[in-house]
Amino acid sequence: KAGVTQTPRYLIKTRGQQVTLSCSPISGHRSVSWYQQTPGQGLQFLFEYFSETQRNKGNFPGRFSGRQFSNSRSEMNVSTLELGDSALYLCASTLDRGDYGYTFGSGTRLTVV
Amino acid sequence: GENVEQHPSTLSVQEGDSAVIKCTYSDSASNYFPWYKQELGKGPQLIIDIRSNVGEKKDQRIAVTLNKTAKHFSLHITETQPEDSAVYFCAASIGSSASKIIFGSGTRLSIRP
Repeated sequence: KAGVTQTPRYLIKTRGQQVTLSCSPISGHRSVSWYQQTPGQGLQFLFEYFSETQRNKGNFPGRFSGRQFSNSRSEMNVSTLELGDSALYLCASTLDRGDYGYTFGSGTRLTVV
Repeated sequence: GENVEQHPSTLSVQEGDSAVIKCTYSDSASNYFPWYKQELGKGPQLIIDIRSNVGEKKDQRIAVTLNKTAKHFSLHITETQPEDSAVYFCAASIGSSASKIIFGSGTRLSIRP
């Protein structure tokens, strides 16, 4: 079966712009979580969505937002991009809320110049 | 606050030898402890996990141990092979739900031929 699909794989944006990243979970998986991965900070939790509702949120500024659609696909948006937002953004899905064992996508590499 | 510490940050072992990576966590309510392997250009992949009601779990050459009293858990890889070279992350669930997982800072494991 198809894994977690993230698009695009690579993205270059300019400071001040905004960006939208997409994540399609494994078919049947209803919970989607997002992480930011940087060399200095490691894997940082951004948020979790289930049934089109944000259930958990990490310690990121309001410039980071997301949503989930009725088919469980999720998007995250970063507005007013800063150089420090350059990172690998990872999406992970699980079957249900409280289910264990994330399956991660390959990520979107965002570079802000 | 919520924290997972991981040591060492880098580890080099001779092919065929064993590798051990150690983690500690801070949240007493954590009850799920997964380990992930991340290869270059890919997202993290779940390799083994353990729940708080179990002290040890094995899967072929990989084993994980958990000491809930001390809030320690460890990954043991025996008979290491070149394909074991990767970055390994420990993680712990936060609170009583597995819907939020926080990660350690990672261990870069290199297997010397």
